[in-house]
Amino acid sequence: DQQVKQNSPSLSVQEGRISILNCDYTNSMFDYFLWYKKYPAEGPTFLISISSIKDKNEDGRFTVFLNKSAKHLSLHIVPSQPGDSAVYFCAASAASGSGNTPLVFGKGTRLSVIA
Amino acid sequence: KAGVTQTPRYLIKTRGQQVTLSCSPISGHRSVSWYQQTPGQGLQFLFEYFSETQRNKGNFPGRFSGRQFSNSRSEMNVSTLELGDSALYLCASSLPTGMGGELFFGEGSRLTVL
Repeated sequence: DQQVKQNSPSLSVQEGRISILNCDYTNSMFDYFLWYKKYPAEGPTFLISISSIKDKNEDGRFTVFLNKSAKHLSLHIVPSQPGDSAVYFCAASAASGSGNTPLVFGKGTRLSVIA
Repeated sequence: KAGVTQTPRYLIKTRGQQVTLSCSPISGHRSVSWYQQTPGQGLQFLFEYFSETQRNKGNFPGRFSGRQFSNSRSEMNVSTLELGDSALYLCASSLPTGMGGELFFGEGSRLTVL
């Protein structure tokens, strides 16, 4: 049972345009969400996060939106740059007695930004 | 500050063999997690160690095991290797504030089972 779903395996966007990556989750206990970026032959690197008390978090060109009622979050990249071409993973966790539960990752979306 | 270091980076084994992978976390990080990445399944959680104790475990068979040492370095072991164990094994460390926060990943150990 996949608790975090990224339904688009790939996405192509023109340089300078907006990239929108989507993520859905099924576990209503999740209250912390993160996006990671992964280049080939490298480990994933943290990009941006959001807690369930917010509906938006912005960091430079990257903005994450959270819609708790729809159990949906999205990552917006504006403007998209060729260096943004990578695989993006959505991840989620829930608060527990000893901190948070382990991160649950989606299967990733491969973003290609075309110059 | 040095990042998470994983060794070896690449290795090839045959079915039935066993393998040990090593991970050195970022200095000061006491929590170490392991994930398996395969093309079809994304990142799957294996286990997490904190202060030499396994704190969480994913849904993997008992052939997958791990441990953490007093210096926070961690190893994972896979015994009786199967073809399906071919994957990128990622180690991540985090501050001792608990799981679910920002994880810092190593570059991974790519295991090929023939």
